[in-house]
Amino acid sequence: GQQLNQSPQSMFIQEGEDVSMNCTSSSIFNTWLWYKQDPGEGPVLLIALYKAGELTSNGRLTAQFGITRKDSFLNISASIPSDVGIYFCAGLNTGGFKTIFGAGTRLFVKA
Amino acid sequence: SQTIHQWPATLVQPVGSPLSLECTVEGTSNPNLYWYRQAAGRGLQLLFYSIGIDQISSEVPQNLSASRPQDRQFILSSKKLLLSDSGFYLCAWRRGENEKLFFGSGTQLSVL
Repeated sequence: GQQLNQSPQSMFIQEGEDVSMNCTSSSIFNTWLWYKQDPGEGPVLLIALYKAGELTSNGRLTAQFGITRKDSFLNISASIPSDVGIYFCAGLNTGGFKTIFGAGTRLFVKA
Repeated sequence: SQTIHQWPATLVQPVGSPLSLECTVEGTSNPNLYWYRQAAGRGLQLLFYSIGIDQISSEVPQNLSASRPQDRQFILSSKKLLLSDSGFYLCAWRRGENEKLFFGSGTQLSVL
């Protein structure tokens, strides 16, 4: 079945640093989604990408839908302590009922 | 606007006891509904999904079952819990194919 490889698995950074994480797949997706999960909470949608090459921002977050439709990245600029959490990428295709998730990137920010 | 409710937030159950977790969605009709499980510090494992009333697809053979008795209600059950059923259970919904998925707040289940 379809799988997403998300990297890095975890990141330890200093407050104020920029962060970059990515997701790759061996198959094509029509939509890429990025979620953030705080401890003990459900994941919250951050950014949705619908078109190859699309670059979308949400505050300090920027995500891109890869040209090949097999990858996506998420950047966080000027990280702050509340950015701590697990970030999941997800892909879906037209006609499919399942959203495919990456294993998550655990972000730790030191003040 | 649409909202998803999931309860309880926390549950501690003895091994061998039954389980019933409920999820409801408001503000939409005929949503696709999903149950995920997340082990501590791990990713999201899809357990069940439903595209309509009484239509349930199981992704992983296990000790759990799901039911959808009403359009916007999704229930996760077990007749006898195992220690390995412990985890964080998440309900989610979306409008239809190729749509964004929205999650509930989760239930932390501890089986002792």
